[in-house]
Order: sequence, then structure tokens, then C-alpha cells
Amino acid sequence: RKEVEQDPGPFNVPEGATVAFNCTYSNSASQSFFWYRQDCRKEPKLLMSVYSSGNEDGRFTAQLNRASQYISLLIRDSKLSDSATYLCGRYSSASKIIFGSGTRLSIRP
Amino acid sequence: DAGVTQSPTHLIKTRGQQVTLRCSPKSGHDTVSWYQQALGQGPQFIFQYYEEEERQRGNFPDRFSGHQFPNYSSELNVNALLLGDSALYLCASSLKQALNEQFFGPGTRLTVL
Repeated sequence: RKEVEQDPGPFNVPEGATVAFNCTYSNSASQSFFWYRQDCRKEPKLLMSVYSSGNEDGRFTAQLNRASQYISLLIRDSKLSDSATYLCGRYSSASKIIFGSGTRLSIRP
Repeated sequence: DAGVTQSPTHLIKTRGQQVTLRCSPKSGHDTVSWYQQALGQGPQFIFQYYEEEERQRGNFPDRFSGHQFPNYSSELNVNALLLGDSALYLCASSLKQALNEQFFGPGTRLTVL
């Protein structure tokens, strides 16, 4: 089993819709989690850090479920510009971020 | 406030050659981590440098080596290139006391023919 797993998608949703995807992790000792956004052929950009139960920033909400070992990302009122790949990562004790393979999101007009 | 910079942007090499990639961290940051991102995959940790020493290493062969300079910039060297080394190489900078907050540079896209 991979340390961090994501549904690769693609998720194809209409503009204005709410979309959510999950990321599961295998190390129950993990304390820090992240969602990065990556546009095609660009670098990952930090979208949100998740250290406790969750975090909210505008239309974006991340939640952490330690019992079931997953984090989720919810995007409300989706925009065309939200189309990207969303990478989930957890910070390991070895000072590195372990990433999932990413979830592709496509917002259609 | 300069962000993370990397050079070159693109590089084409042939099997067996050697390559050097460069990274300058974000202003004020002292730690550099290198990641390899193959097509369709998430970034994979290669190694991390601070105080001019390799501090952590991922599951990569010795063909991958690095260096950090006194100004905190860093190089990634790959010897005896293989076709499978084709990837986007990302540099992430952070502060030693906040290693969990890593900011990525634009990457170097390496193609090995």
C-alpha cells in the first residue's frame, strides 16, 4: 500500500459546483498534512496546510480524519481557474513531504 | 522578495551523460530539498541540504548527488543518466526550523534520450 493515496480522477464538474476529494495515508503518527495545487507543467503551489482537525480558506476547506486516516479537500462554487491537479502530502519525520500521485480536476463552463 | 529559482528550465541529455541542476532558495530560507516528479506521479524526495551538508536522503541511487553552497544555493548532480531519469526536478526551500513548510521552484524538465 502506498503511504499516501489519491483517486487520480479526472473529476469533471460544471462551474459553480461543489467538489470534494479524499486522500488516505498509512502512517498514523503523521501530524502535518498539505494540499498543493499543480497546474500543467508547473511547480506545486501550497494551497493549504492541515495540522489539526481542519482548515478553511475562502472557498476551500480541508478536513483531517485521524480515526480513518484521510484528509479531504472541498471546493465550493468552483471556478474555471480551479482546474488543476491537486496533490496531497504528509510531512514525515525524515523532514520530507510524501506526496500522493495527485487528483486531476477539470471545471467545465 | 525573490522566490525559489532554478536553472536551466529545460535540458536534453543522452544516456550515460552527466547533468547538473541548480537552485537558489527563497530569500531568507536556509534549507533546500530536491524532488523528482515523473509524468503522472507526485514528487518523490531525493535529498535535503542545510548547513552545507546532506541531512536526509530518499530512496535514490548514489548516481544522484548534491551540494549546498555558503549562500544556501544548491546543485543536484546526476551521473550515468538513464532513460528513467527523465522527469521534472523540483527544488523546495524552507527554514531549518520549519521544514514542513516547503516552497517549490519552477523546476527543471530533464529529458534523457
